[in-house]
Amino acid sequence: GQQVMQIPQYQHVQEGEDFTTYCNSSTTLSNIQWYKQRPGGHPVFLIQLVKSGEVKKQKRLTFQFGEAKKNSSLHITATQTTDVGTYFCADGGSQGNLIFGKGTKLSVKP
Amino acid sequence: EAGVVQSPRYKIIEKKQPVAFWCNPISGHNTLYWYLQNLGQGPELLIRYENEEAVDDSQLPKDRFSAERLKGVDSTLKIQPAELGDSAVYLCASSLAGQGFKQYFGPGTRLTVT
Repeated sequence: GQQVMQIPQYQHVQEGEDFTTYCNSSTTLSNIQWYKQRPGGHPVFLIQLVKSGEVKKQKRLTFQFGEAKKNSSLHITATQTTDVGTYFCADGGSQGNLIFGKGTKLSVKP
Repeated sequence: EAGVVQSPRYKIIEKKQPVAFWCNPISGHNTLYWYLQNLGQGPELLIRYENEEAVDDSQLPKDRFSAERLKGVDSTLKIQPAELGDSAVYLCASSLAGQGFKQYFGPGTRLTVT
């Protein structure tokens, strides 16, 4: 079935370093959503990207959607301990059924 | 605005026993989803409701899982009988039509089958 692949699976950074997670699909995505799940918590919506080549920023977070709409990335500048958690990308599909990647677990060392 | 409410938060049962999870979505959200999340994995959709109609239950193991949303608001997910492999977190989410399918997740029910 359709899958979205995320890399890396884990990332350990020193506070203040940058972090990037990548999401790839073998098929063209109608849209992609990003969610953050804190340890012991539930997924929380971050953003949706719809247009080819779209770039959106939220403070220290930058989201990109590839030109071919088959890949996406999330970049965090100058990580903080509050950024700890697992970041999921999800294929938004055309009916709202999300297909999640396996996520990238970020740990930040103070 | 109150978020998605789920209960119980935790449940421990023995295999072959039945179990039920309850979800109350955000008021006004007509779309409700049940997901299963295994440790270290992303959520996987089990069923999606539009109002009271199950519009996608293709991933629901119907031999032991059932769900209902009788009045188009609250929903219940049931497993009977539970198996060891059903141990996971069961997440409920809701969305409002027209918001680009942005989904709001509840805190989940962590099920342990012994």
